[in-house]
Amino acid sequence: KQEVTQIPAALSVPEGENLVLNCSFTDSAIYNLQWFRQDPGKGLTSLLLIQSSQREQTSGRLNASLDKSSGRSTLYIAASQPGDSATYLCAYGGSQGNLIFGKGTKLSVKP
Amino acid sequence: NAGVTQTPKFRVLKTGQSMTLLCAQDMNHEYMYWYRQDPGMGLRLIHYSVGEGTTAKGEVPDGYNVSRLKKQNFLLGLESAAPSQTSVYFCASSFLQGGYNEQFFGPGTRLTVL
Repeated sequence: KQEVTQIPAALSVPEGENLVLNCSFTDSAIYNLQWFRQDPGKGLTSLLLIQSSQREQTSGRLNASLDKSSGRSTLYIAASQPGDSATYLCAYGGSQGNLIFGKGTKLSVKP
Repeated sequence: NAGVTQTPKFRVLKTGQSMTLLCAQDMNHEYMYWYRQDPGMGLRLIHYSVGEGTTAKGEVPDGYNVSRLKKQNFLLGLESAAPSQTSVYFCASSFLQGGYNEQFFGPGTRLTVL
C-alpha cells in the first residue's frame, strides 16, 4: 500500500530556530515529491517540488531534500518566523500524476 | 491569472440531495484532480482526468461522478449525498512532462451533509 508518514505530527518552536520536518514514503518508484503549506481553513500552497532525478531544491529559507533509496524527504526551515506557523504537507507523485499525501506536520512558531 | 478556482466555497446539503462542484483552471493544464480532506485522514484522491473527455477513478471514488467536457473545467457530482461525504473538497491541476508534475490547488469547497 502506498503510504506517506510525516513526523512529528506537531511541532512548537521559538522564533529564530532552525527546524527539520520529516517525510517517509513506501514507494521507491516516485516521479517527484512536493511540499505544501496549508493555513487553517485555506487551500494548499506549493512550496517546493523535487523531481525524482534531483536531490534537493531551495527557495529562500526553505530547503527540501530527497533520498529515494531510503524513501525519505526532509524540509528544512531556517530562522523560523511566526508567519511560518501552518500545517506542512508532504506528497509524492505517482505515474498517473496523482499525489499521495501524508497527514501533515502542524508547526507553531512562538514569538 | 486566477489559477484554480472552485465554486461554491461552502454548501450545506440534506441527505439524498444532489449537487455539482465546479473547478476551473486558466493555466492550460492537461491534468486535473479532485481530492477530499478529512481530519486525521489527510488528502485522498477521488477522481482525476488526464485530458479533455477522459476521467479515471482514484482512491475513494464511490458516491461521486465526474466530467471533463472542457479542458479548463472539471466537475464533481454527488448524486445522492450522504453524511459520510461531509468533507473539504479540493481541486488541483497540473501538466505532466518528463517527470515534472507540480500540482496547483484551488481554495476548497467545504461541504456539510446533514
